[in-house]
Amino acid sequence: GDSVTQMEGPVTLSEEAFLTINCTYTATGYPSLFWYVQYPGEGLQLLLKATKADDKGSNKGFEATYRKETTSFHLEKGSVQVSDSAVYFCALNNFNKFYFGSGTKLNVKP
Amino acid sequence: NAGVTQTPKFRILKIGQSMTLQCTQDMNHNYMYWYRQDPGMGLKLIYYSVGAGITDKGEVPNGYNVSRSTTEDFPLRLELAAPSQTSVYFCASSSTGQGPTNEKLFFGSGTQLSVL
Repeated sequence: GDSVTQMEGPVTLSEEAFLTINCTYTATGYPSLFWYVQYPGEGLQLLLKATKADDKGSNKGFEATYRKETTSFHLEKGSVQVSDSAVYFCALNNFNKFYFGSGTKLNVKP
Repeated sequence: NAGVTQTPKFRILKIGQSMTLQCTQDMNHNYMYWYRQDPGMGLKLIYYSVGAGITDKGEVPNGYNVSRSTTEDFPLRLELAAPSQTSVYFCASSSTGQGPTNEKLFFGSGTQLSVL
């Protein structure tokens, strides 16, 4: 079945460091890919998405490129801030069923 | 806009009790979902619905039931609560229409359920 695998956390970085969170997927057909972010005590919010191969999703300085050849959708940010501390979830949508990875907690220290 | 509204926010149940988690959305979305999130884990799909009168099982449906009598409402029923159902439950909805919100999941704020 369809699934998403992402790197385990927590990831701890200093402010202004470079961020990469790895995500790979298994799916039949041509799924859409997403990154969601969850702040403490809240529901998930869409961060960015890509709907086809080689698309790049971007938002708030975060980027991810849909790589069909490696079935990956890694999240990157060039310079993280303390306010980016949250849990990040990679997800896919295939035939209107959404599957989520286990989440990666990011801690950014001043 | 209210978006997706879940009630209650917190609930403690005794083993064997039953309860219904309510979920309502005011965006006229066809698709609605129930997820559970265990501590330190990702979201697991319990049930989903593609429209009024149509529901289907997700990854972890055992111990739960749903109904979808209207487009707006998608309640989740726990019949005989067990400690393994202690979790945070999220309801979500999405649209299949065109535009920037297509495929975007809108989440409720969650229900924290403890079964003791």
